[in-house]
Amino acid sequence: GQNIDQPTEMTATEGAIVQINCTYQTSGFNGLFWYQQHAGEAPTFLSYNVLDGLEEKGRFSSFLSRSKGYSYLLLKELQMKDSASYLCAVKGYNKLIFGAGTRLAVHP
Amino acid sequence: EPEVTQTPSHQVTQMGQEVILRCVPISNHLYFYWYRQILGQKVEFLVSFYNNEISEKSEIFDDQFSVERPDGSNFTLKIRSTKLEDSAMYFCASTGTGGLLNNSPLHFGNGTRLTVT
Repeated sequence: GQNIDQPTEMTATEGAIVQINCTYQTSGFNGLFWYQQHAGEAPTFLSYNVLDGLEEKGRFSSFLSRSKGYSYLLLKELQMKDSASYLCAVKGYNKLIFGAGTRLAVHP
Repeated sequence: EPEVTQTPSHQVTQMGQEVILRCVPISNHLYFYWYRQILGQKVEFLVSFYNNEISEKSEIFDDQFSVERPDGSNFTLKIRSTKLEDSAMYFCASTGTGGLLNNSPLHFGNGTRLTVT
């Protein structure tokens, strides 16, 4: 089976850094994706990790530890437009299984 | 940038009626998916489709659901006899050569909000 856990909600201040954690237990693991989803909109791709370590993409970085079943998404220099849900998704053979998402509220 | 397009954006139907949700994946993509998201809940996998056949389907994708690629551009999801609990946002997604096996990300359409009354 698949079990993907993320905090339900987080708040942060504009300009700050926030880390959103994701832990997973899956029967098959082939990589981990992070998506952003604004309310009422489609998920949009942010980053993925297949190997252990940190992947950096501008203001966003994602980290993976396969032995610990753990990933995090790091958002730097937060902007008001970063207020959204952040979805952790584990890749199975040829599909993504999503966690429930973390709703991030960025305050001035 | 090419995008996945879905129509209609909102569909209201009565319980027991059939609905067809339409999607045009990105033109050079080969792998197609349907996901759904009940309001306030997580994005759930329904079905994947490759080479004109279903690759995998979830427990949600029971006999009332079917998918079709009727031509070279459209990908449809049919719900034969809708139930109240089918009310959700339905997202179509596609990915390119090699699909997720090559770590190509899924690209999602903007969704069809289905309301069953």
